[in-house]
Amino acid sequence: EIVLTQSPGTLSLSPGERATLSCRASQSVSSSYLNWYQQRPGQAPRLLIYGTSNRATGVPDRFSGSGSGTDFTLTISRLEPEDFAVYYCQQHGTSVFTFGPGTKVDIK
Amino acid sequence: QVQLRQSGPGLVKPSETLSLTCSVSGASISPYYWTWIRQPPGKGLEWIGFVKDSGSANYNPSLKSRVTISLDMSENEFSLNFKSVTTADTAVYYCARGLGAYAPWGQGTLVTVSP
Repeated sequence: EIVLTQSPGTLSLSPGERATLSCRASQSVSSSYLNWYQQRPGQAPRLLIYGTSNRATGVPDRFSGSGSGTDFTLTISRLEPEDFAVYYCQQHGTSVFTFGPGTKVDIK
Repeated sequence: QVQLRQSGPGLVKPSETLSLTCSVSGASISPYYWTWIRQPPGKGLEWIGFVKDSGSANYNPSLKSRVTISLDMSENEFSLNFKSVTTADTAVYYCARGLGAYAPWGQGTLVTVSP
């Protein structure tokens, strides 16, 4: 089973700032199989990025994804008020699909 | 647009079976994959398993002995059955469309396992 580790656990930033979230895998993941989700309080998760760098339908272009192998990054170029939430990475490159523990982006 | 609506009880007794249904509107069950995911209160997400439009399924090995995911093509819905539950199975259960990248999601159902 591939274990995903996300850092930092919490990121405290102000609106308008840039957020950089990291996801590290315990073994290599094909870039086609690494996704990112956003979860706001009391809501279901929402797909943001699939296949490392492809924005899902309706996702603003301030969200971008990059990476390869075992290291992946989600970047939010300028934080909007609605972006303060928890972000999860997820892989489905092996027979057991796994999520990272999440990074909480909160208001500084 | 595609919408997933979940139904089922919010309270289940220990050792009993948890049963949830996800009704799909705006799209046909075929040719997609359909997935269940859960989230214990205050914790992260856990993949439970998926079912293909053919009816074949794949499960998280840690849960496999207790889980069945099935389809009802005539009703355009799919279901989760989770037997022999314990308090550790208390969680919000989500249905979603997709094999690995999930969109959209159902609204979530908080299932509490308690006597």
